[in-house]
Amino acid sequence: GAVVSQHPSRVICKSGTSVKIECRSLDFQATTMFWYRQFPKQSLMLMATSNEGSKATYEQGVEKDKFLINHASLTLSTLTVTSAHPEDSSFYICSARDRQGRSHGYTFGSGTRLTVV
Amino acid sequence: GNSVTQMEGPVTLSEEAFLTINCTYTATGYPSLFWYVQYPGEGLQLLLKATKADDKGSNKGFEATYRKETTSFHLEKGSVQVSDSAVYFCALSEGGGSEKLVFGKGTKLTVNP
Repeated sequence: GAVVSQHPSRVICKSGTSVKIECRSLDFQATTMFWYRQFPKQSLMLMATSNEGSKATYEQGVEKDKFLINHASLTLSTLTVTSAHPEDSSFYICSARDRQGRSHGYTFGSGTRLTVV
Repeated sequence: GNSVTQMEGPVTLSEEAFLTINCTYTATGYPSLFWYVQYPGEGLQLLLKATKADDKGSNKGFEATYRKETTSFHLEKGSVQVSDSAVYFCALSEGGGSEKLVFGKGTKLTVNP
């Protein structure tokens, strides 16, 4: 079945530095990728939607200059948390939509636990 | 806007017990409804789905029926196993050209031997 590989699974960084998270679709082409943030005991909150070759669409309240999303190919999307602060510590999950719309079309990565110290 | 409300956890059951996790939704239009499962350290996996009223989704012994009249999509399993221990998320797809998924807060299930 469809697989999405997300790396790293865990990262600890110092306040003020930037962190890049990668999301790759391994056996399918993903025209659309979604980035979510999950707080403890909270739901997944959609941060942005990215389409290959175009600018990401950010949800209300998400700072696009802080959370840079690049979807340069049909198999790779990256989320860069710039100038990270402790309040950015969270669990980030990507989801890719199968171009062919197989199954219901959404495949999730295993998530990245970001801790900013 | 669209929203999903599911029962607060955690839920702790003994093996072979009956499971119900309630989920209700608020949506304009005709959303598709989903249950996702997240095992420890893993990503979300689709458990089952229903795309229209009165549809029943089923998988691995789990079932949920799309009830438009009560705007509900409750998850049930007749006999849970230890391996069912995970976090369960109810979600809806907004449809109408939108690909967004709206999630409930998740319900953690622990099944003891």
